[in-house]
Amino acid sequence: DIQMTQSPSTLSASVGDRVTISCRASQSIITWLAWYQQKPGKAPKPLIYKASNLESGVPSRFSGGGSATEFTLIISSLQPDDSATYYCQQYISYPYTFGQGTKLEIK
Amino acid sequence: QLQLQESGPGLVKPLETLSLTCSVSGGSISCDSCYWGWIRQPPGKGLEWIGSISYSGRTPYNPSLKSRVTISLDTSKNQFSLKLSPVTAADTAVYYCAGIVDYEQKTFDYWGQGTLVTVSS
Repeated sequence: DIQMTQSPSTLSASVGDRVTISCRASQSIITWLAWYQQKPGKAPKPLIYKASNLESGVPSRFSGGGSATEFTLIISSLQPDDSATYYCQQYISYPYTFGQGTKLEIK
Repeated sequence: QLQLQESGPGLVKPLETLSLTCSVSGGSISCDSCYWGWIRQPPGKGLEWIGSISYSGRTPYNPSLKSRVTISLDTSKNQFSLKLSPVTAADTAVYYCAGIVDYEQKTFDYWGQGTLVTVSS
């Protein structure tokens, strides 16, 4: 199985900050990576697919990058509504695997 | 816009069978570029992919659950289902159904709201 490791596990930032969340794969996944946002009691919401492609309707302050084993999710200017847990997921091979999550709190 | 909705018992006894159904509206599950899947999330923990099914009947499963999982399609009802047997307390989780409508590019881009299944006697 491909292991996905996110860092940090928790993050606290202020409105307007630039925030970066990292995701590392245990082997190359090329760009077969997705990012999700999950709020308490809700289903994950897709944000990005194929490492850097924004899903329809997702604010442009979100962006993704990286390839092979190192990936990032960037929020360019943090908004109060961005408080959530963020997950990465590889989909190059089965079993699909997720990172353990990064909980983002607003100061 | 696709909508997915899980249904099934919220309480299952240990060693019995967990059965859930996902009803799909706003589109057909008989879709050559689609996969339909189940993901679960134990309380306070992360996400675990259980397995998926394609219209052609391909069923990749998570090896950690493969011996206990069956996913099937019912095209006449535009639904797909999950069976997990036998269950233990470790299977207590929120179960999500999800869809991939362009598997050559994307992963799960449509999700149900999730349903909590508790395994307890």
